[in-house]
Amino acid sequence: ETGVTQSPTHLIKTRGQQVTLRCSSQSGHNTVSWYQQALGQGPQFIFQYYREEENGRGNFPPRFSGLQFPNYSSELNVNALELDDSALYLCASSPYLAGDTDTQYFGPGTRLTVL
Amino acid sequence: AQSVAQPEDQVNVAEGNPLTVKCTYSVSGNPYLFWYVQYPNRGLQFLLKYITGDNLVKGSYGFEAEFNKSQTSFHLKKPSALVSDSALYFCAVRERGNTPLVFGKGTRLSVIA
Repeated sequence: ETGVTQSPTHLIKTRGQQVTLRCSSQSGHNTVSWYQQALGQGPQFIFQYYREEENGRGNFPPRFSGLQFPNYSSELNVNALELDDSALYLCASSPYLAGDTDTQYFGPGTRLTVL
Repeated sequence: AQSVAQPEDQVNVAEGNPLTVKCTYSVSGNPYLFWYVQYPNRGLQFLLKYITGDNLVKGSYGFEAEFNKSQTSFHLKKPSALVSDSALYFCAVRERGNTPLVFGKGTRLSVIA
């Protein structure tokens, strides 16, 4: 069974640029959630995708957007990068069964640094 | 709104001694509770969860957690700490349904040989 994978591992961008982060979900999982973990903080929910549609969103501006593909992999896109976007971005996958989301399993994360 | 509090930023314990990492929560309905561990430069690893049933939940690597509804707590415990348990521990809560996880700020556990 393959776990959750994310790419790239690290990324350095400058303010105003755009970035795309990628996530492959664990085998058999149809739901992907993205979290932002700032230094010294717990992860904060950005949004969730289920069946290729956004299925819940946290308190993040519209310049944070995403996609989910038919194979359940996902992308997180961030436009107009700001210094405060520097963080570890975590992807988590889970099965969505009977109206409930089961345990989320996390990938290793992508460390984004905005200069 | 859901919330999680981890009152200790840092917990120090000697190897071989029991450890406890504290967590309290607030939700409007019945909680789903989780513990995750994060090693340096790594993602979060799932340790255990409470959904329903027995208040004492056993998880990976010898960890367990006790759900206490009256105290709205879900403390993580291990009878005998190992140096390799040193890491950052996160408690998380969500409500039933398709709701996101809400995490605490984390507690850094340091096990000293």
